[in-house]
Amino acid sequence: DTAVSQTPKYLVTQMGNDKSIKCEQNLGHDTMYWYKQDSKKFLKIMFSYNNKELIINETVPNRFSPKSPDKAHLNLHINSLELGDSAVYFCASSQQTGQEETQYFGPGTRLLVL
Amino acid sequence: DQQVKQNSPSLSVQEGRISILNCDYTNSMFDYFLWYKKYPAEGPTFLISISSIKDKNEDGRFTVFLNKSAKHLSLHIVPSQPGDSAVYFCAASGYGNKLVFGAGTILRVKS
Repeated sequence: DTAVSQTPKYLVTQMGNDKSIKCEQNLGHDTMYWYKQDSKKFLKIMFSYNNKELIINETVPNRFSPKSPDKAHLNLHINSLELGDSAVYFCASSQQTGQEETQYFGPGTRLLVL
Repeated sequence: DQQVKQNSPSLSVQEGRISILNCDYTNSMFDYFLWYKKYPAEGPTFLISISSIKDKNEDGRFTVFLNKSAKHLSLHIVPSQPGDSAVYFCAASGYGNKLVFGAGTILRVKS
């Protein structure tokens, strides 16, 4: 009974393709996030959603489009994949968006663009 | 511009001794600080946190200290165990609960 799950765990694809990564949390949390861990191992926030509404949208190319069908799911769709999109993408969730909220992370999706 | 810095890329400690991991931050608006532990091919796992109104928080073998005037926090693990070997990330948040992470410190506990 994984708290935050992501699929797929590994994704290898060609440049120019469109791909989606799915995230689900069964913690009953209201807020979900996407983070990217780049080659230098920094974890950086991309987006956050609270109750299906976009809250945080960092400087991310508009080829990345998050979609939240309900508050337990936050999917990430990436159009026209580029080599630089290769990274590990982590989904996370927290109870609320307020202060002092602990975020819980999924296992990550390792994306390799060839 | 790194707002959260972990200046030691790695740390090696003998089993049973204390591990001290350090973290510095630059943004005075941060008011909540967390430590995450990460094993290879897994997501970060929440370890311990501290609010800016406190200077110490303890949970079993893990203690986090916060020095607001120095914008510095540290994680103490005592006694260290081989299973503690992992990458430790310091993270800070302010308004909007956006976490800003440090680059991580690889801890190796030798038996």
